[in-house]
Amino acid sequence: QVQLQESGPGLVKPSQTLSLSCIVSGASISSGAYYWSWIRQHPGKGLEWIGYIYYSGSTYYNPSLKSRVSMSVDTSKKQFSLRLSSVTAADTAVYFCARARTGGYYFDYWGQGTLVTVSS
Amino acid sequence: SYELTQPLSVSVALGQTAKITCGGNNIGSKNMHWYQQKPGQAPVLVIYRDNNRPSGIPERFSGSNSGITATLTISRAQAGDEADYYCQVWDSNTGVFGGGTKLTVL
Repeated sequence: QVQLQESGPGLVKPSQTLSLSCIVSGASISSGAYYWSWIRQHPGKGLEWIGYIYYSGSTYYNPSLKSRVSMSVDTSKKQFSLRLSSVTAADTAVYFCARARTGGYYFDYWGQGTLVTVSS
Repeated sequence: SYELTQPLSVSVALGQTAKITCGGNNIGSKNMHWYQQKPGQAPVLVIYRDNNRPSGIPERFSGSNSGITATLTISRAQAGDEADYYCQVWDSNTGVFGGGTKLTVL
């Protein structure tokens, strides 16, 4: 059974860097069949794709966030990570990690999500 | 950037058929995917590649995609289908979601 689990601080100060990790179980993070993705949802709003990382380390980010986002993958630990720099209150959201199929680009498994609040 | 347009809300009587639309430029040329999200939960994939159901999704859920509109159809609507529904495509190496539709089962 595939499971994804986000972890990281629930509170980040403005101008600092938000860091989250996602541990993958039940699937190989080294498989070429998936893109490992981050998606966020502002309170009461819709879904926003942040970006993805491939097992090889190649990445692609939402152009609207590209200047502040970086992602990494650690296949030995079966986890991938998100860093979002220079956060403001507008980055307060529930952050989901998800697995996307390379053939079709749909998100078939999601983590439960973690709320990150940006506040001093 | 590519945009997907969904109605904010759709209502359906219990046991009837609900149709949720998703519009976008030349959307029929893209693979359309649909997600169901209940309050406080992560989204769940209900339709992928236009009209395919993942394992465990009831046959009551179906999809179609042509021209400028894709449609998620929920037959014999149940109280448990009440949720937000999001369409999603991939465009220029970017994941794009519609704004979401709140389905109310009356």
